[in-house]
Amino acid sequence: KQEVTQIPAALSVPEGENLVLNCSFTDSAIYNLQWFRQDPGKGLTSLLLIQSSQREQTSGRLNASLDKSSGRSTLYIAASQPGDSATYLCAVRGYGGATNKLIFGTGTLLAVQP
Amino acid sequence: EPEVTQTPSHQVTQMGQEVILRCVPISNHLYFYWYRQILGQKVEFLVSFYNNEISEKSEIFDDQFSVERPDGSNFTLKIRSTKLEDSAMYFCASRGGQGPYEQYFGPGTRLTVT
Repeated sequence: KQEVTQIPAALSVPEGENLVLNCSFTDSAIYNLQWFRQDPGKGLTSLLLIQSSQREQTSGRLNASLDKSSGRSTLYIAASQPGDSATYLCAVRGYGGATNKLIFGTGTLLAVQP
Repeated sequence: EPEVTQTPSHQVTQMGQEVILRCVPISNHLYFYWYRQILGQKVEFLVSFYNNEISEKSEIFDDQFSVERPDGSNFTLKIRSTKLEDSAMYFCASRGGQGPYEQYFGPGTRLTVT
């Protein structure tokens, strides 16, 4: 059974720092991995999707990498800003059917201090 | 930009009552999902729906739950007799029929059962 874990559970950094969020998964047979942002009491905003055949994806100040064989993904945020404060979730989609569900990690609560 | 919408944003109901949560997926999407997030816990998959039928459901999705796509645009989740433990944020998601199979989430409905 696929398990997704995120470390650290919470992170506080001063504005301007570069930071890395980690996601690990137990079953390397994944189709893709998505990173989401969740603001308090709000929905999930998709940030990046990495296909299993890809090593990384970039969007603005965000860069996500994927090492499928070791069951790891990282989300790198460059030059962090207070507006980046949110919970970041990773989720993996396995094989086995066109409608396969996403399995979510525990999330990392990020606070960027001005 | 197209988005998934959900109504209501917050629903309060008494234990034992029926509730219907509504979602309007992105118009050309073919696959639809419900997830839920109990406060402080992971986002959990409930059910996926494709071609007017359930394609996968979790152990949470018991006989008290049902889904329907009544009119080609709405996608609903019904809970027949709510329990206290059904209190959660419920997210609807949809995705297109072709790769990269990114799931787009709605803003959620917060269900409070008293």
